[in-house]
Amino acid sequence: AQTVTQSQPEMSVQEAETVTLSCTYDTSENNYYLFWYKQPPSRQMILVIRQEAYKQQNATENRFSVNFQKAAKSFSLKISDSQLGDTAMYFCAFIVVQGAQKLVFGQGTRLTINP
Amino acid sequence: GAVVSQHPSWVICKSGTSVKIECRSLDFQATTMFWYRQFPKQSLMLMATSNEGSKATYEQGVEKDKFLINHASLTLSTLTVTSAHPEDSSFYICSAEFRDNFPDTQYFGPGTRLTVL
Repeated sequence: AQTVTQSQPEMSVQEAETVTLSCTYDTSENNYYLFWYKQPPSRQMILVIRQEAYKQQNATENRFSVNFQKAAKSFSLKISDSQLGDTAMYFCAFIVVQGAQKLVFGQGTRLTINP
Repeated sequence: GAVVSQHPSWVICKSGTSVKIECRSLDFQATTMFWYRQFPKQSLMLMATSNEGSKATYEQGVEKDKFLINHASLTLSTLTVTSAHPEDSSFYICSAEFRDNFPDTQYFGPGTRLTVL
């Protein structure tokens, strides 16, 4: 079975701090893509960052970066210089290339940035 | 780019009536769209995969006669909740697959909150 586990249901940090959200996944496939989406209180799902499994270099998008450890099946998200607008639910997900095109989501981590 | 809209954003209906939700890809063509359901404080649950010009593929446990999906064009998919009941009240989200330089990326609509009285 293909699964995603986010072991931190809730996290809270002060503004400007750095925070890391954990994600592990399980798949027997070798070629897949990984994603982090955020869902703020508006409930609009927003793509934060994405990573191809065949690339060893970790993806970065401004203040957001990932630590991708393929052997460990780990895909953590680091948010640097956190801002109040980063308060949201964060979902880790993956999709298998040439598979059923289904995104497999984790249960989410609720992140609160405190002023 | 890769903007997806949903309409309506909020709908209240009486039990037994049908409700149609539209999902549009505004600036790209989407061969494949997806419909999700999200309960409060939970993750997204895939209901069905919608392919343009063909029948939708429903996930196990989703009633295809209750949740009718039509993907008539490359920019529009609709979800019709037929004979709605209070237990159908939920947040429904669509997504569209955008094949840019990074294939298989889904972009999401803003969601539709359905309340059945």
